[in-house]
Formats: sequence, structure tokens, C-alpha cells
Amino acid sequence: GIQVEQSPPDLILQEGANSTLRCNFSDSVNNLQWFHQNPWGQLINLFYIPSGTKQNGRLSATTVATERYSLLYISSSQTTDSGVYFCADNDYKLSFGAGTTVTVRA
Amino acid sequence: DAGVIQSPRHEVTEMGQEVTLRCKPISGHDYLFWYRQTMMRGLELLIYFNNNVPIDDSGMPEDRFSAKMPNASFSTLKIQPSEPRDSAVYFCASRGLAENTGELFFGEGSRLTVL
Repeated sequence: GIQVEQSPPDLILQEGANSTLRCNFSDSVNNLQWFHQNPWGQLINLFYIPSGTKQNGRLSATTVATERYSLLYISSSQTTDSGVYFCADNDYKLSFGAGTTVTVRA
Repeated sequence: DAGVIQSPRHEVTEMGQEVTLRCKPISGHDYLFWYRQTMMRGLELLIYFNNNVPIDDSGMPEDRFSAKMPNASFSTLKIQPSEPRDSAVYFCASRGLAENTGELFFGEGSRLTVL
């Protein structure tokens, strides 16, 4: 199956900082999604973004499918942004990355 | 829609007991997935169904694990007999490819502890 590499593996931010998370894929992607797993373990859909750019509040994502990567931007980070961020290619069989653990300090 | 509904949310059982986890997918979704999440292995796909038919069960660890989907609105994952190494969070997810979105939605998970 497709290999998914996420970077960085860990990120510590001061509240209010901006950051960029990256996802690289070993093959072309068709149904890319970003998820946030909060400290309670819930997997929350952030973006379904096969290509292009989307924005939702302080979060935005860009996928360049032909170059096999996607970026997640967090602006003005808040402590509630803490958790693990996963990207995944949702093409009939979800291939998850190992995640980026984000810790936002007050 | 209420989203993907899983039960129980938490289960503590003793080694050797049978465990049954339940999932109700989002109405109209054609695909249903069972995942397991542990610290060591992350998120692993166990099995998925399309239109109630198991398509790929290559991720099922061993014969102690079985999954069924008797109808479009219900699926079970059964472990018999359970072992301590089965302790994990089990997620169910569904997707409606027919809607041409491909977006996958997860339930809140069932946290299993086998003593």
C-alpha cells in the first residue's frame, strides 16, 4: 500500500505561534484527509482535501497531488490545538501516517 | 445524522472472555471500516466492508477475531477468547463513496482493556 510520511514527528508551540505540518506520500493520492486526535482520543475530521487549498478558521490545508504532498497550517495556535494530527490517503483503504504530536503551551 | 455510533465506549474484561464491539455507520454510507489503535502500532486497519460484504480482512490479527455486517446499519467485531495484548482502542469508520466525496468519518472508539 501507499506509504505516508509525516513531519515533524513532534512539535511544541507557544500559544499564538504559527506552524506547518507536512505529509509526503509514496504514490499519487486521491482522497487525502487530515484528522486531529484530541487528548480524549477522538478522531476529528479537519479537511477532506484531494487537491487545492481549503481553510477553516485558523486552520488551512493545501494538497499538491501531483507532487505527492499535503500541508496543514495552524495559525495563532491555542492550547486546544494540542493532540496528534494525522494525514491519510482515503482511497478505498486508509493509509495513515504516524502522526505529528502537537503540544501548545500557554 | 448522529455520526458513527460505537458501543460500548469502555470495556474491561478478563482474559479468556468473549468481547463484542458494535458499530452503527452513518446512514447511506457504503463502506465500513474497523481499526485498532495502540501506542506501539498506531492505527491499523483490521477489516473493511463494502455494501455489507467483507472486502479485505488481511489486517485481522488471528482467528480469535471475527467481524460481521448483517445489514447496512450494523456491524460487530468479536474477540473470542480475548487476551491482554488485545487491549487497545477500536475504531469504526464509515464512508459514502456513492456520495462522491470519499470522506471518512470515525466513531468515538471503544476502549478495551483485557486483564
